[in-house]
Amino acid sequence: QKEVEQNSGPLSVPEGAIASLNCTYSDRGSQSFFWYRQYSGKSPELIMFIYSNGDKEDGRFTAQLNKASQYVSLLIRDSQPSDSATYLCAVNPRSGGYQKVTFGIGTKLQVIP
Amino acid sequence: DGGITQSPKYLFRKEGQNVTLSCEQNLNHDAMYWYRQDPGQGLRLIYYSQIVNDFQKGDIAEGYSVSREKKESFPLTVTSAQKNPTAFYLCASSIGGTDSPLHFGNGTRLTVT
Repeated sequence: QKEVEQNSGPLSVPEGAIASLNCTYSDRGSQSFFWYRQYSGKSPELIMFIYSNGDKEDGRFTAQLNKASQYVSLLIRDSQPSDSATYLCAVNPRSGGYQKVTFGIGTKLQVIP
Repeated sequence: DGGITQSPKYLFRKEGQNVTLSCEQNLNHDAMYWYRQDPGQGLRLIYYSQIVNDFQKGDIAEGYSVSREKKESFPLTVTSAQKNPTAFYLCASSIGGTDSPLHFGNGTRLTVT
């Protein structure tokens, strides 16, 4: 079982719609969760992080965490063509000690004008 | 402005040659990381370092070596023992600890022929 699983996509949504990106993880002890956006040929950039169960909102982005279900998601409201990118879910599987973040393979999002 | 600088952006080498990728950060971060990204495989951890003069192997350390003589610098050497060195290499840093996000450099695209 992969430590962090994402559907590689592509996920296609029309401009203005809500894009929903999902991620599951295997280590129940995971403490921190991150979403990175990566444009083609570029490096990842952090867009959201979440540590507690529930929702966290930042502008058009909402991260949702459910530790009981080992599930984290990212919602993008009012999707724009500029949101077209690969979204990487990252999980820190340990508490304390050395940090060793594990990444999913990423979901490619295409926003259709 | 603070950030992470990777150089060069593109690097071409002949098979059998060692090559060193540079990574410098002025964010005063304690932790630094090297990832490799291949199409369809996401980011894989090569080496990481939490403090100067200490580093740990990641998931795919074979054929790579690193040093951490200064807090700001974490160079990666790709040796001739690495079977498939052609890839996109990403250096990252973080404050350290389980909850701190990664900040990425712009990456080095290495092609070995």
